[in-house]
Amino acid sequence: QVQLQESGPGLVKPSETLSLTCSISGDSISDQYWNWIRQPPGKGLEWIGTIFYSGSTNYNPSLKTRVSMSIDTSTNQFSLRLTSVTSADTAVYYCTRERWLRTPERDFYFGMDVWGQGTAVTVSS
Amino acid sequence: EIVLTQSPGTLSLSPGERVTLSCRASQSVGTFLAWYQQKPGQAPRLLIYDASSRATGIPDRFSGSGSGTDFTLTISSLEPEDSAVYYCQLYDTSPLFGQGTKLEI
Repeated sequence: QVQLQESGPGLVKPSETLSLTCSISGDSISDQYWNWIRQPPGKGLEWIGTIFYSGSTNYNPSLKTRVSMSIDTSTNQFSLRLTSVTSADTAVYYCTRERWLRTPERDFYFGMDVWGQGTAVTVSS
Repeated sequence: EIVLTQSPGTLSLSPGERVTLSCRASQSVGTFLAWYQQKPGQAPRLLIYDASSRATGIPDRFSGSGSGTDFTLTISSLEPEDSAVYYCQLYDTSPLFGQGTKLEI
């Protein structure tokens, strides 16, 4: 059974950098797409970014100047860094697996089928 | 920039009723659409992928349909445990979530 587990500090000071790691068990990080999603208190879901196992990335344009993601295939982990945080970055952060099947006829989208339990991050001094 | 709109925002129904939730994209995304259920304090759970395929372990009272710009999630006979927020999510050049529909049973 595939499981994802987010880890990182629950409290970050304004203007500092938020760093989170997602540990994958029960599946290989290879040949998959991995995401960070966040949810501010009482609000909806916001996609932060996607990283492919090769290291290629795709970031939300609204966060692009502050976001970076990395992947470590040797430890089956991927990470998120968000710089210059403000109170608007207070949220529950989720890591997810996103699956695709690419065929010559068409692509099939399997959605984000595995989610971590989420980790709450508060930005406050 | 693509826009994704869910409706209604909130609804309150009784057990056994049938409900259809709507998700509309401002431009065609084919069938690159998924539906998720989120209960309080829990991570979202994938219900439907590729617009109409049920994810593993999802009861058959949940069904999805649509393609292009208009999609629906139907729950054929509501159970009390279906109380949740339901999100649609498309994939264009990147994932995008709708704002959610809160369903109270």
